[in-house]
Amino acid sequence: ETGVTQTPRHLVMGMTNKKSLKCEQHLGHNAMYWYKQSAKKPLELMFVYNFKEQTENNSVPSRFSPECPNSSHLFLHLHTLQPEDSALYLCASSQEGGSVNYGYTFGSGTRLTVV
Amino acid sequence: GENVEQHPSTLSVQEGDSAVIKCTYSDSASNYFPWYKQELGKRPQLIIDIRSNVGEKKDQRIAVTLNKTAKHFSLHITETQPEDSAVYFCAGAGGYQKVTFGTGTKLQVIP
Repeated sequence: ETGVTQTPRHLVMGMTNKKSLKCEQHLGHNAMYWYKQSAKKPLELMFVYNFKEQTENNSVPSRFSPECPNSSHLFLHLHTLQPEDSALYLCASSQEGGSVNYGYTFGSGTRLTVV
Repeated sequence: GENVEQHPSTLSVQEGDSAVIKCTYSDSASNYFPWYKQELGKRPQLIIDIRSNVGEKKDQRIAVTLNKTAKHFSLHITETQPEDSAVYFCAGAGGYQKVTFGTGTKLQVIP
């Protein structure tokens, strides 16, 4: 798979588990994002990373913690999640330059179910 | 912050007819408006975008119009085909960390 790759595609975890979602982009982009997609809701931005700075969405609970070891890889570490955290988690990347926006390339997502 | 509203939430059209999806935004600083198509079980994909310095952009059967004064933009699909069936998302952005998505429109093209 080229572009933006996410693993795993599906994940079922208990509320006491610790798991991580992985995203890798092969596009040479400088910005990466985590989005949450729930039914009948807009895509919710969770975190943004680029090579210069990290941005956190202040409304994201601390049970979600991102990690960006380099410009090609992004992780989302999960611990003590709640059933309402069940959703599709999408990773995206883009090439950003100053104040100019460019479109996102999304990964296929990880379908997370918290039981 | 930015607020993007999208209508309708569902849209059914006969194959060959046109489909129009409308979005409004609140932040006059927004200057980039992409549209994404998400087929069932697949990732959202960028299909067209427009910047605030143009009023219309076309790509084959797809066009987007932007009215900065009224703060609304629309997606137009002509000669719809069954493969156009998907959920379409609009978004408004004033910077790479300031992208706000609409709630999506489920388009069904009836053969």
